Amino acid sequence: DQQVKQNSPSLSVQEGRISILNCDYTNSMFDYFLWYKKYPAEGPTFLISISSIKDKNEDGRFTVFLNKSAKHLSLHIVPSQPGDSAVYFCAASAQGGSEKLVFGKGTKLTVNP
Amino acid sequence: EAGVAQSPRYKIIEKRQSVAFWCNPISGHATLYWYQQILGQGPKLLIQFQNNGVVDDSQLPKDRFSAERLKGVDSTLKIQPAKLEDSAVYLCASSLERGLAHGQFFGPGTRLTVL
Repeated sequence: DQQVKQNSPSLSVQEGRISILNCDYTNSMFDYFLWYKKYPAEGPTFLISISSIKDKNEDGRFTVFLNKSAKHLSLHIVPSQPGDSAVYFCAASAQGGSEKLVFGKGTKLTVNP
Repeated sequence: EAGVAQSPRYKIIEKRQSVAFWCNPISGHATLYWYQQILGQGPKLLIQFQNNGVVDDSQLPKDRFSAERLKGVDSTLKIQPAKLEDSAVYLCASSLERGLAHGQFFGPGTRLTVL
């Protein structure tokens, strides 16, 4: 039973364009959501998060949108850069982030120069 | 600030053998996590320590996996005996305190191959 789903295994975009990575969840108890970025042979690194009391959070080129009614969140990267090429994991937690993280399978983003 | 250290980085063993992984968290981090990441999947929490006490080990296959965190600092994760399906990357993470979902810092992982 996959509670956090990233249905696109891969995404390819041109440098300078927008990258949109999607994530769906099924557990209504999740109220805190995070995106992690992972380069090969490295551990995941925290990118951006959002609480369920918000519908948008922005940090530089990265924006996360949350649609609670649809149980859907997305990560927007604008403009995309070649250094953004990595695997992006969506993760969710309950109890305001104090419960364990549940990860999706990840989406491999490739940004072409 | 030094990151989370893990060793070894790679390990290849035969099935039914035993293996151990070591993790040194960021200095001062009270909470330590072990995750299993199977190829093509996201990380799955195996066990969470708060200092040297276990907070959550609900997804740890306790018949073959064990973990300890002596003195609330370093931790070891052991598999005995290993099965083919244990082939995965084992990630260690730490955070300053429990409940900081965005404050987990991951190590580079140990890639285990079971033949």
